Formats: sequence, C-alpha cells, structure tokens
Amino acid sequence: QKEVEQDPGPLSVPEGAIVSLNCTYSNSAFQYFMWYRQYSRKGPELLMYTYSSGNKEDGRFTAQVDKSSKYISLFIRDSQPSDSATYLCAMDISGNTPLVFGKGTRLSVIA
Amino acid sequence: DGGITQSPKYLFRKEGQNVTLSCEQNLNHDAMYWYRQDPGQGLRLIYYSQIVNDFQKGDIAEGYSVSREKKESFPLTVTSAQKNPTAFYLCATQGTDIQYFGAGTRLSVL
Repeated sequence: QKEVEQDPGPLSVPEGAIVSLNCTYSNSAFQYFMWYRQYSRKGPELLMYTYSSGNKEDGRFTAQVDKSSKYISLFIRDSQPSDSATYLCAMDISGNTPLVFGKGTRLSVIA
Repeated sequence: DGGITQSPKYLFRKEGQNVTLSCEQNLNHDAMYWYRQDPGQGLRLIYYSQIVNDFQKGDIAEGYSVSREKKESFPLTVTSAQKNPTAFYLCATQGTDIQYFGAGTRLSVL
C-alpha cells in the first residue's frame, strides 16, 4: 500500500460547482498536511496548510483533516476556469523530513 | 517562484553528455530538494540536502549527482548514466514544514 493515495482524475466540472478533492494515507505519524496547486508547466504553489485534525478556510477553499480516518480533503466553492490545474496533497511527520506527496488530481473547470 | 530561481527553463541533452541544472535560493532555508516529474507520475524525490556539505539520496538517485557547497545553491547534474532523462525537474526549499518550489527546468534529449 502506498503511503499516500490520491485519485489522479481527470475531474471535469462545470463553472460554479463545488469540487471535492481527497487523499488517504497510511502513516498515522503524519502531523502536517498541505495542498499544492500546479498549473501546467509551472512549479507547485502552496494553497492550504493545516496542522493535525480540523478544518481551515481561506476564501473559496476549505481544507479538512480527519486523522482518525487518515483522510484529508480540499473543497473548492464556486469553482472557476482559473481553478483548472493539478492539485497535489502532501504530508509531513515532523517538519524536518521530506514531504510525502500524492500523485496529484487533474481538475478542469468548464465555463 | 518566490526566492527560488531555477535555470535554464529549457535544456537539451545530447547522447552521453552530462548536464547541470541550477537552483539558487534567497529564502535562507537550510533544506533543499530535487524532484523529477513525469506525466501522471507525481513528484519523485531525487536528492535532498538539509545542511551545507551534506545530502541524501531520494527514491530515484541513480544517474544523478548533486553538491551543496553553499546554503544558497543546490545544483543537480544529470549524468550520461541516466538513460531516460526527459522530464520536468523541480527544485524546492523547505522552511519548517512547508516546501516552496521553483519554476522548473524541462529537460529533453536531442
């Protein structure tokens, strides 16, 4: 079993839809959880960062962490064509170790 | 990209040639990373360095080499031993938990 599992998609939604992106993981030692957005031919950029369990909201984006289920989610409200990108989840144990990344989910928002 | 500069943006390698990808940062981060990204493969860790003059192999280090002589710089050499070098290469730095990425170098074989 891979440490981090992420559905690669592609996921195609109409503009204005609510998007749900998810990752599952097997290592219960993960404490830090991140979502990165990567546009085509660009480097990933940090979108959301959470520590331990709970929710975090930033504008149209909400990150959720459920450590009991080893499951994290990213919700995008009122999705826009500019949200079309690949979304990568990433996790860390202590902050001093390399991040473990999911393979990314490719999202297309159709106008 | 922030304070991470990768160069060149595009690079072409001839058969049997070594090429070096540059990564420079001004974020004063101790840790630096090199990833390879192939379509549908996600990010695969090549090498990382948590301190000057020290580095560790990642998951796919064969055919690659690195050095870390300065805190600001972490160049990656793709050697002739890497038989399938065509990919998008990303450099990252890490401050506490968060990694910051450069814009990437796209390497192709002539």
